[in-house]
Amino acid sequence: KQEVTQIPAALSVPEGENLVLNCSFTDSAIYNLQWFRQDPGKGLTSLLLIQSSQREQTSGRLNASLDKSSGRSTLYIAASQPGDSATYLCAVKVQTGANNLFFGTGTRLTVIP
Amino acid sequence: DTGVSQDPRHKITKRGQNVTFRCDPISEHNRLYWYRQTLGQGPEFLTYFQNEAQLEKSRLLSDRFSAERPKGSFSTLEIQRTEQGDSAMYLCASSLGDYSYEQYFGPGTRLTVT
Repeated sequence: KQEVTQIPAALSVPEGENLVLNCSFTDSAIYNLQWFRQDPGKGLTSLLLIQSSQREQTSGRLNASLDKSSGRSTLYIAASQPGDSATYLCAVKVQTGANNLFFGTGTRLTVIP
Repeated sequence: DTGVSQDPRHKITKRGQNVTFRCDPISEHNRLYWYRQTLGQGPEFLTYFQNEAQLEKSRLLSDRFSAERPKGSFSTLEIQRTEQGDSAMYLCASSLGDYSYEQYFGPGTRLTVT
């Protein structure tokens, strides 16, 4: 069964710092990997989608990379802002069964003004 | 197109009562997924539909849970005889197809069972 792990579980940084969030998964048979943002008590906002054939995707200050063979992805956030404070979840779409997403437990990010 | 919508956004119920949630997917999307998220955890897959057919259910979906998607449009998730352990965020997602298509999530329904 696919397992997704996110490290660290929580991260606190001063405003303006660049930071990296890590995601690892156990089964490389995936279609794609998605990074989501979740504010407290709210739903999921999709940030970046990387197809299995791609190595990275960029959107504004966000850059996500994927190394499918080693089962790793990183989300790089440049010049962090207090508004970036949220929980960041990564999820992989498996190639078997329902093609559902398997999620990690998230990294809770706090950006201190 | 306004995206995936869910109703209600919040539901408080007493233990033993039945509750029903609704999800309206993006109009042309034929795949619809339900996930459940408990506090401090990532969402977990419950079930999914291709058009009106419910094709898979996870072991998390006990006999007290039932989902439907009549006519392949909106979907409902009903929980009978709610228990405190059912308290969670219930998330719905839809996609244009399977394989590599992206899933788009709704805002979720937060259920609190007292």
